[in-house]
Amino acid sequence: GQQLNQSPQSMFIQEGEDVSMNCTSSSIFNTWLWYKQDPGEGPVLLIALYKAGELTSNGRLTAQFGITRKDSFLNISASIPSDVGIYFCAGHLGSNTGKLIFGQGTTLQVKP
Amino acid sequence: EPEVTQTPSHQVTQMGQEVILRCVPISNHLYFYWYRQILGQKVEFLVSFYNNEISEKSEIFDDQFSVERPDGSNFTLKIRSTKLEDSAMYFCASIGPTVGIQETQYFGPGTRLLVL
Repeated sequence: GQQLNQSPQSMFIQEGEDVSMNCTSSSIFNTWLWYKQDPGEGPVLLIALYKAGELTSNGRLTAQFGITRKDSFLNISASIPSDVGIYFCAGHLGSNTGKLIFGQGTTLQVKP
Repeated sequence: EPEVTQTPSHQVTQMGQEVILRCVPISNHLYFYWYRQILGQKVEFLVSFYNNEISEKSEIFDDQFSVERPDGSNFTLKIRSTKLEDSAMYFCASIGPTVGIQETQYFGPGTRLLVL
């Protein structure tokens, strides 16, 4: 089946540092989404990307939809302790059911 | 802001028992989903539901699983005879009123199911 390969698996950084994570796939996706999940909670949508090459920001977060539609990255600038959590990329292949395929997640820890 | 709600937040059950997980999607949404997340793993698609029928299901969604929209607001996932490996976090999500590429899924807070 379709797979999203997300990296890195985990990151441990100092507060104030910038962070970058990415997802790649062998399949072409119509939509890329980035979610954040806090422990015991559901995924919360951070950024949605709809067009190849699109670069979108949401506060300190910036994400891009790769030009080949097979990859995406998420950057977090000037990290703060509340950025701690698991970040998931998810892709929509364009099926009429809206099914999302998720990456394995990047666990981010921020040291104050 | 409208949100997806789920009950219960936690459920503990004995192997072989039936469980029903409940979701109230966002009110004008028409497409509904269940996903599962085993502890420490990624979120996995189980089933999508539209117009009172299943539109797609994964290989995980076998005969032990069923979904229903019993009224205008609730969306349920039933596991007929739970197994140990059904222990996971179950998330409900919804989109609407269309499922075009401009629509994004909003997830509920999840139900943590523990099968003993």
